[in-house]
Amino acid sequence: DARVTQTPRHKVTEMGQEVTMRCQPILGHNTVFWYRQTMMQGLELLAYFRNRAPLDDSGMPKDRFSAEMPDATLATLKIQPSEPRDSAVYFCASGLTQGRPTEAFFGQGTRLTVV
Amino acid sequence: AQSVTQPDIHITVSEGASLELRCNYSYGATPYLFWYVQSPGQGLQLLLKYFSGDTLVQGIKGFEAEFKRSQSSFNLRKPSVHWSDAAEYFCAVGLPASKIIFGSGTRLSIRP
Repeated sequence: DARVTQTPRHKVTEMGQEVTMRCQPILGHNTVFWYRQTMMQGLELLAYFRNRAPLDDSGMPKDRFSAEMPDATLATLKIQPSEPRDSAVYFCASGLTQGRPTEAFFGQGTRLTVV
Repeated sequence: AQSVTQPDIHITVSEGASLELRCNYSYGATPYLFWYVQSPGQGLQLLLKYFSGDTLVQGIKGFEAEFKRSQSSFNLRKPSVHWSDAAEYFCAVGLPASKIIFGSGTRLSIRP
């Protein structure tokens, strides 16, 4: 059963610390999304990649957030330094884009708490 | 700018009753539309999608949605809800280059 895998599922960290969230997309998918979900803002698209290249990261605070795909099986989202307002659930999703928008398959999310 | 609006924040229906969740989109071209469901503590699961063709699309768990271009709507329906349908429901639009943006969600509660 193919699925998107995110680690860790939960993370509690102190303000100022670096946080790294990892995502393994579904094998064969060429598009990877990072979303942030909060009660106030709902689901926000932070960044997404096609064939490992960033297509749009305009939703991401550039001064502290970075997203990369070191290889086709791993996507990372880093926050440095973390702040309490970064507390949220971060979702990774992947899809197969073939000439038209793809549906996104979501992971279980990483619940981040910054204290 | 492209956007998705779900006007109902929270809806409560009785078990066995019919359901309709509203979704309106703002997009200049032919949209690609999705409905997702999220159970507490879980990720989002695709219920159904519309890319082209028949404007009434069937999905999983007995859900269906109808695309109405004239109303810029893609409402989700189910003829008879079950207690297990209680969840958060998200409408989304797929844009060029595969960008997907979501509405704010509608929380569905089921009255026994």
